[in-house]
Amino acid sequence: AQSVTQPDIHITVSEGASLELRCNYSYGATPYLFWYVQSPGQGLQLLLKYFSGDTLVQGIKGFEAEFKRSQSSFNLRKPSVHWSDAAEYFCAVGYNAGNNRKLIWGLGTSLAVNP
Amino acid sequence: KAGVTQTPRYLIKTRGQQVTLSCSPISGHRSVSWYQQTPGQGLQFLFEYFSETQRNKGNFPGRFSGRQFSNSRSEMNVSTLELGDSALYLCASSGTITSMSGDTEAFFGQGTRLTVV
Repeated sequence: AQSVTQPDIHITVSEGASLELRCNYSYGATPYLFWYVQSPGQGLQLLLKYFSGDTLVQGIKGFEAEFKRSQSSFNLRKPSVHWSDAAEYFCAVGYNAGNNRKLIWGLGTSLAVNP
Repeated sequence: KAGVTQTPRYLIKTRGQQVTLSCSPISGHRSVSWYQQTPGQGLQFLFEYFSETQRNKGNFPGRFSGRQFSNSRSEMNVSTLELGDSALYLCASSGTITSMSGDTEAFFGQGTRLTVV
């Protein structure tokens, strides 16, 4: 069955440090891949998405993600974290299911940023 | 332009009651999806409406229902509330049918926090 795994439930980094949030998926073909961020009391905001083409995708707020087919991964990265990046991050995978496409979500990674 | 608006933001209900949540999508968007978010289960898809028709449905019991009006506003109803229905209910809107267009971005509202006591 299709699934999305975010192995890290909680991550703490220092401000200015680099960040990598992991996302692994299980699907036979190339899925559609998304990263969303949810700040406290807010809805989800799209950071970036991958459908095809260049496997390194640039997003908003200085985030990027790299699709690695061989590893079934779509990890999110940021070279220098800011305190305002503290939030919950969700990886989502869209895949074909008959005539529809379904979107499944990871359980999220909570990011804390130390000053 | 205005974002996705969900009302109310917070609700407290008693077991056995029913509740209706509202979502107003971004102007011009015709697709509205609903999600339930809990700490243990994460984000789970409830259903999607497009042009007043339910186009996709998740694996939730029949107590969960929804509808969409001609102005694309959507309501979600939960009958016979159970303690386990306590969650953040998120609504997302997009310009196309999200479930059939994997490359479509969904814009989320801030959610309605439902507590069942």
